[in-house]
Amino acid sequence: GENVEQHPSTLSVQEGDSAVIKCTYSDSASNYFPWYKQELGKGPQLIIDIRSNVGEKKDQRIAVTLNKTAKHFSLHITETQPEDSAVYFCAAYGAAGNKLTFGGGTRVLVKP
Amino acid sequence: DAGVIQSPRHEVTEMGQEVTLRCKPISGHNSLFWYRQTMMRGLELLIYFNNNVPIDDSGMPEDRFSAKMPNASFSTLKIQPSEPRDSAVYFCASSLSGRIGSEQFFGPGTRLTVL
Repeated sequence: GENVEQHPSTLSVQEGDSAVIKCTYSDSASNYFPWYKQELGKGPQLIIDIRSNVGEKKDQRIAVTLNKTAKHFSLHITETQPEDSAVYFCAAYGAAGNKLTFGGGTRVLVKP
Repeated sequence: DAGVIQSPRHEVTEMGQEVTLRCKPISGHNSLFWYRQTMMRGLELLIYFNNNVPIDDSGMPEDRFSAKMPNASFSTLKIQPSEPRDSAVYFCASSLSGRIGSEQFFGPGTRLTVL
């Protein structure tokens, strides 16, 4: 089955700086890659996603890139703000069915 | 819409007791997922349903775990008997369809503590 690795596990940045989270996946047939943000005491919430026929997607301060050849994808947050502090999860949607496999999560702390 | 509703939000029980977690998906969604989140293992898919039918239960850890979806607006996850290693946050999520790219909406979770 699919295996998703996520790095780093924790990330501390100064407000206004950029944050980058990287993920790799194992199943070359995976074709959909969402990113979720989880705030304390809440369930994960989708913030952006990318499909395998696209190399990059941007939504305001967040962007995702996908390299299908290398089987890795990344989340970029620019001009970080304190409200960006949360745990972020990458995920891969396998071609075998309606299943998401999640990475281990990255705890992001934005210091004011 | 109120989003995905889970109850209870917190459950503390003793080892050996039966635990039932409940979920009400978003109205109109026909896919429902049960996840477990722990520090050690992260976010794991336990089972998912399409149109009330269990499609993949390969993530259910053992026979002590069972899940049902008697209708489109209600699902339960039962643990009997519970053990301390079952302590985790259990999330229910729903999506509009089984098609790729259908956003999964997560509930607030049930924090289970088994003493």
